[in-house]
Amino acid sequence: DTEVTQTPKHLVMGMTNKKSLKCEQHMGHRAMYWYKQKAKKPPELMFVYSYEKLSINESVPSRFSPECPNSSLLNLHLHALQPEDSALYLCASSQDDPGQGNTEAFFGQGTRLTVV
Amino acid sequence: GEDVEQSLFLSVREGDSSVINCTYTDSSSTYLYWYKQEPGAGLQLLTYIFSNMDMKQDQRLTVLLNKKDKHLSLRIADTQTGDSAIYFCAESIYNQGGKLIFGQGTELSVKP
Repeated sequence: DTEVTQTPKHLVMGMTNKKSLKCEQHMGHRAMYWYKQKAKKPPELMFVYSYEKLSINESVPSRFSPECPNSSLLNLHLHALQPEDSALYLCASSQDDPGQGNTEAFFGQGTRLTVV
Repeated sequence: GEDVEQSLFLSVREGDSSVINCTYTDSSSTYLYWYKQEPGAGLQLLTYIFSNMDMKQDQRLTVLLNKKDKHLSLRIADTQTGDSAIYFCAESIYNQGGKLIFGQGTELSVKP
């Protein structure tokens, strides 16, 4: 099983709303990631969790707040987003200690977020 | 600095071989990856190669790495219409916390 599951698949939210994106994996991976992908562009790293601790924050605005409740789950809490935050948000996980070698990352199908 | 470059488009006929090229600049790359993304979907890991290898073959896929020129290629044999997608190469760098640096992606179009 190499599946990373993301919910919801689509989300439309207003600029004053609070919503959360969820990600789950049952591969025993200890590293989990959030990426943002705009149309026709490559994914851009937002956050990395290693062993349930935040290890990388790529200078992401505070309106995006990640949370890793346990080794299988990763959330991204959204608050007061802007229309330019509309994008595909991808979650990924990898087995190895990130940065030590093989970041063989498996991606979910993504949540397509539209901010109106 | 870290930079990964790919050509943006490639068009082939069904049954031909496709070769997608990628160049990278960081010599500390440890692993290099190829991902496939179909419209509206996430990224599917196709294969990867460790930076001290020259070649890796996996069914219809062959990865070639020229470390001296920092050039990576993905060859797809007997290309099918189902191979139409965007292909991203990516590198990971030792001690960069698992960050993947992606190229811009090559859109492969397979014509019947």
